[in-house]
Amino acid sequence: DAKTTQPNSMESNEEEPVHLPCNHSTISGTDYIHWYRQLPSQGPEYVIHGLTSNVNNRMASLAIAEDRKSSTLILHRATLRDAAVYYCILYSFGNEKLTFGTGTRLTIIP
Amino acid sequence: NAGVTQTPKFQVLKTGQSMTLQCAQDMNHEYMSWYRQDPGMGLRLIHYSVGAGITDQGEVPNGYNVSRSTTEDFPLRLLSAAPSQTSVYFCASSWRGPGQGLIGELFFGEGSRLTVL
Repeated sequence: DAKTTQPNSMESNEEEPVHLPCNHSTISGTDYIHWYRQLPSQGPEYVIHGLTSNVNNRMASLAIAEDRKSSTLILHRATLRDAAVYYCILYSFGNEKLTFGTGTRLTIIP
Repeated sequence: NAGVTQTPKFQVLKTGQSMTLQCAQDMNHEYMSWYRQDPGMGLRLIHYSVGAGITDQGEVPNGYNVSRSTTEDFPLRLLSAAPSQTSVYFCASSWRGPGQGLIGELFFGEGSRLTVL
């Protein structure tokens, strides 16, 4: 299975944009890029996913590189509630397994 | 909206005891799965099911049994608990598409914290 690489931790100031990077150099053409986050003492929650084009929803934006070997999750205006571990995951359509790595721990500075 | 419900939220067992972690979803999802999360680590897939009567192993299945008799329920059984099974367990569910792959998001429960002494 293709793997993802994320920084272990990042910090950002409250009310500023946050760019969370993810490298997936061995991605295949049928791999979707999923992002989840896990708030303290909670189960993971879905953030966004995409295949080739950039995607936006109410929570975040997903920017996918043209060669698809990397992607960036963008939180447009960080709040304290956005402090969480963010997981970048590759999902191969037809594969029933979603494999989580260790993610990026995002700290928001008031 | 109930979503994915896990019980119990906390459990302490002695080595060798057995127990079942319950998971129920009310979204008519075909796909259900169990993960475990150890301190400072990501989630690891234990078992999953793509429909009633169908289950398969994930990354770390040893020591755990599952069954899927209904669409709504997916219990996880520990037959003889060991200290290495001390962890937080998460159940998740999702729709499956016409191509039989997962669609969109996994919905997670709040977790069950298990301690084995």
